[in-house]
Amino acid sequence: SQQGEEDPQALSIQEGENATMNCSYKTSINNLQWYRQNSGRGLVHLILIRSNEREKHSGRLRVTLDTSKKSSSLLITASRAADTASYFCATDGGYSGAGSYQLTFGKGTKLSVIP
Amino acid sequence: DTAVSQTPKYLVTQMGNDKSIKCEQNLGHDTMYWYKQDSKKFLKIMFSYNNKELIINETVPNRFSPKSPDKAHLNLHINSLELGDSAVYFCASSQVGRVQETQYFGPGTRLLVL
Repeated sequence: SQQGEEDPQALSIQEGENATMNCSYKTSINNLQWYRQNSGRGLVHLILIRSNEREKHSGRLRVTLDTSKKSSSLLITASRAADTASYFCATDGGYSGAGSYQLTFGKGTKLSVIP
Repeated sequence: DTAVSQTPKYLVTQMGNDKSIKCEQNLGHDTMYWYKQDSKKFLKIMFSYNNKELIINETVPNRFSPKSPDKAHLNLHINSLELGDSAVYFCASSQVGRVQETQYFGPGTRLLVL
């Protein structure tokens, strides 16, 4: 079953505004990651937050994690037109064999930043 | 110098055909993956594989089979293609124990079954 659920499904903002996307999940996790997908491209890893962390920053990105509510948020500050993409959260439930930590992705939030 | 590459980028084929998608990573990673992204952008794991073990998502039909000639390559072979196989297929790789669990994705192969 699907683990991560992003909210909203689509978000349209003006350049310079902040964009906030939320992710909820169902089971316990080791960490939560956010990925970005530009149209017609593969996913690119943005940031990883571990289950014992509450907040993490990377450049204009700020991620929070609330394990009691099983939710995370991704904030992009001072958005730019180049931030237009789909953003996915992915949860890792632990080692799943074959040397892998199997990630479960949500459906993504499609962000449009209008110049 | 692409980290994870896939070929072909686009694949249009008839129902019932057999096709393969190739994936190569030059990151030195031990583990590779295949994902399927449907028309609603939902990304679902199909396989996790290293040279010792294959983990198969139980929902994947046995018409799909990963084939790995070496550590840097994981190809996806699909038999008897069906209309519902139309999707974007992504290859990814990761290295357990280094930048933990981050996966590096290829650009995707857009498969259209007619």
